[in-house]
Amino acid sequence: NAGVTQTPKFRVLKTGQSMTLLCAQDMNHEYMYWYRQDPGMGLRLIHYSVGEGTTAKGEVPDGYNVSRLKKQNFLLGLESAAPSQTSVYFCASSPLLRGYNEQFFGPGTRLTVL
Amino acid sequence: GQQLNQSPQSMFIQEGEDVSMNCTSSSIFNTWLWYKQDPGEGPVLLIALYKAGELTSNGRLTAQFGITRKDSFLNISASIPSDVGIYFCAGPLNYGGSQGNLIFGKGTKLSVKP
Repeated sequence: NAGVTQTPKFRVLKTGQSMTLLCAQDMNHEYMYWYRQDPGMGLRLIHYSVGEGTTAKGEVPDGYNVSRLKKQNFLLGLESAAPSQTSVYFCASSPLLRGYNEQFFGPGTRLTVL
Repeated sequence: GQQLNQSPQSMFIQEGEDVSMNCTSSSIFNTWLWYKQDPGEGPVLLIALYKAGELTSNGRLTAQFGITRKDSFLNISASIPSDVGIYFCAGPLNYGGSQGNLIFGKGTKLSVKP
């Protein structure tokens, strides 16, 4: 099992460019999440999905879109990148179990917007 | 809104020392999770706590679910150099708790004493 994988690992964008970050999990988990991590801010939830075809906004959704067309994949899109979106992005997944909150994280994507 | 306060924000360790850190919440939790993040990696789950008063160990790590359900503690005994990293506590978000959404503390950074 590879667990949660993320591509790419690093990316540099210019302001206004677009890109898509891909997250894949092979654990058959129902729930998937996208976080961003900034120095001194901890992890903040961008968007999440409770199943194939469903998505919802988290704490900091502005400037991002997501799609969950397949259960194993969760895509995070930046339509017009801004320097404020320079961050490390983490994807996580979790199984559908009542009262179970453990999330499993990918290795992250480091994004720089110039 | 919900807040998690972790302390200390940072600390220096010398090999062989015991380390303690804690996390307090503004609201009652039914779950406490402790994660560790190595530089350049994603967070890895160390310990999950599901019952008030519960004391759980994972090797040299011991975590406790506070009786008030508003705090949790993590202890590392006989620290070694590979213990350096950032330790995060996490608990379920009220509004999205049923969907597994988590709120994270800002982390305690462990470094080696110069």
